Amino acid sequence: NAGVTQTPKFQVLKTGQSMTLQCAQDMNHEYMSWYRQDPGMGLRLIHYSVGAGITDQGEVPNGYNVSRSTTEDFPLRLLSAAPSQTSVYFCASSSPGQGGYGYTFGSGTRLTVV
Amino acid sequence: AQTVTQSQPEMSVQEAETVTLSCTYDTSESNYYLFWYKQPPSRQMILVIRQEAYKQQNATENRFSVNFQKAAKSFSLKISDSQLGDTAMYFCAFTSYFGNEKLTFGTGTRLTIIP
Repeated sequence: NAGVTQTPKFQVLKTGQSMTLQCAQDMNHEYMSWYRQDPGMGLRLIHYSVGAGITDQGEVPNGYNVSRSTTEDFPLRLLSAAPSQTSVYFCASSSPGQGGYGYTFGSGTRLTVV
Repeated sequence: AQTVTQSQPEMSVQEAETVTLSCTYDTSESNYYLFWYKQPPSRQMILVIRQEAYKQQNATENRFSVNFQKAAKSFSLKISDSQLGDTAMYFCAFTSYFGNEKLTFGTGTRLTIIP
């Protein structure tokens, strides 16, 4: 029972590099979302998906790209990394009607852009 | 759009004492859920307690309880008999009852339990 799996746990990028943060869940949850956590700002929604093939922007989508080709996977792509994207990234999932019971979070990815 | 406000960036309390963390929110919806999440140094997000807005009774989970005031849009967390393991960042969060695919978080309160 893996829940939500995020990889990698830590990453250092140079400015301008691209990378993909992976998120996979094995609970057949339809809803998946990406948040970033910055000191003093809590967690802010980047992108979310309500099902395979459907994605939408959250509060802070600029510089990030997502796709949802399967129910299980929801990767987050950084197209050209910038120091402002240094943050901790969380993936979360839930089911329709089950969000009220709380979300399942991954363990997070700490990304540093130098 | 919903907003969640936590006005206490940091708090500390002696072990075994009671502490209350504040949270206010703003929404035009009448049906929604509120949560308190705990984030220890391990970084994992742990659900502490949840409240359904249509229930007047305040939620409790062992040493954790909430004071939910719907009219005032207030949702505070009380931790009784605090323990060293309660040291963590605490986030208040909101999600809509309908279309609850996303959470709105407060900025967090860093709680330190002093031995």
